[in-house]
Amino acid sequence: GENVEQHPSTLSVQEGDSAVIKCTYSDSASNYFPWYKQELGKGPQLIIDIRSNVGEKKDQRIAVTLNKTAKHFSLHITETQPEDSAVYFCAATGAGSYQLTFGKGTKLSVIP
Amino acid sequence: EAGVAQSPRYKIIEKRQSVAFWCNPISGHATLYWYQQILGQGPKLLIQFQNNGVVDDSQLPKDRFSAERLKGVDSTLKIQPAKLEDSAVYLCASSIARAWGGELFFGEGSRLTVL
Repeated sequence: GENVEQHPSTLSVQEGDSAVIKCTYSDSASNYFPWYKQELGKGPQLIIDIRSNVGEKKDQRIAVTLNKTAKHFSLHITETQPEDSAVYFCAATGAGSYQLTFGKGTKLSVIP
Repeated sequence: EAGVAQSPRYKIIEKRQSVAFWCNPISGHATLYWYQQILGQGPKLLIQFQNNGVVDDSQLPKDRFSAERLKGVDSTLKIQPAKLEDSAVYLCASSIARAWGGELFFGEGSRLTVL
């Protein structure tokens, strides 16, 4: 089955700086890669996703890049704000599979 | 629009006891998922329903876990008997689409502590 590795496990940045979280996946047939944000005591919430036919996608301060050859994808957050502090999860699913495999998460702390 | 509702939010039981969690998905969402999230890890899919039929339960420990979705709306996840390693947050999610590529909407979860 699919295996998703996520790094780093914790990340601290100063407010206004950029944050980058990286994930690798094992199944070369994987074709959908979402990122979820989980605040304390809440369920995960989708913030951005990318499909295998696209290399990069942006939504305001958030961007995701995908390198299918290397089987890795990254989340980029620019101009970080305190409200960006949360746990971020990457995920991947293979072609023909309905099972979404999540990474272990990255706890992002934005220091004011 | 109302989100995914789950109850109870917290439950503490002793090992070998039983527990049940309830989920009400977003209205109109045909697909419902139960995930287990152990502290410090990402959510792991336990079971996926499409309407009231099971799509995937390959990671559900069927000797102790059971789930049902009657009438294709609400769902209940039961654990009997509970083990210490079942301590986790149980997340329910729903989506419009069956195929992946659709957003999952998660509830706030039910935190289970097994003593």
